[in-house]
Amino acid sequence: NAGVTQTPKFQVLKTGQSMTLQCAQDMNHNSMYWYRQDPGMGLRLIYYSASEGTTDKGEVPNGYNVSRLNKREFSLRLESAAPSQTSVYFCASSTRQEIPQNTIYFGEGSWLTVV
Amino acid sequence: AQSVTQLGSHVSVSEGALVLLRCNYSSSVPPYLFWYVQYPNQGLQLLLKYTSAATLVKGINGFEAEFKKSETSFHLTKPSAHMSDAAEYFCAVSNTNAGKSTFGDGTTLTVKP
Repeated sequence: NAGVTQTPKFQVLKTGQSMTLQCAQDMNHNSMYWYRQDPGMGLRLIYYSASEGTTDKGEVPNGYNVSRLNKREFSLRLESAAPSQTSVYFCASSTRQEIPQNTIYFGEGSWLTVV
Repeated sequence: AQSVTQLGSHVSVSEGALVLLRCNYSSSVPPYLFWYVQYPNQGLQLLLKYTSAATLVKGINGFEAEFKKSETSFHLTKPSAHMSDAAEYFCAVSNTNAGKSTFGDGTTLTVKP
């Protein structure tokens, strides 16, 4: 039972480079999320997708774009990476069909360093 | 609108001692409440959740939390800490109208031998 799978697990980028973090879930969840986690700042929502075909900005969307490719997949793109985007990124998913709604299932994280 | 405040970014206890991690929430409608745990270099996983079925909720690894509406609190406790409980703990709130959960800033639990 894979749950939420995200790739790559580790990545080093140079400032200005672009990259895409991939995420897929096999739980038939409608909602998917991208968070970043930084020391002392908890989890901050970057973007989320309440259902296939929709995306919305979270707390810290600047510098990122997302694509909800289908119900399973939700990718996060950094168009021009900056050192401030060095962080751990988590993909997650949830469903309103589960009680309570919005129990969130997380991937194992992607460690991104921008030099 | 909803929000979560976790009191104390770091908590240290001795092995065998009581663990108490504090969480207060704000929600304009009846909330759903969650505690998640994150072990080093891993993602978050659900520890327990409040569904309004019972105010005292039991989770995995001997943890439990009590929903107190009058205090808008959902504190996490464990009677006897174990070394393996050392992790970061996150409280989160959601509701039937919310499209997403709101997380607290996290509390790092250290367990001393």
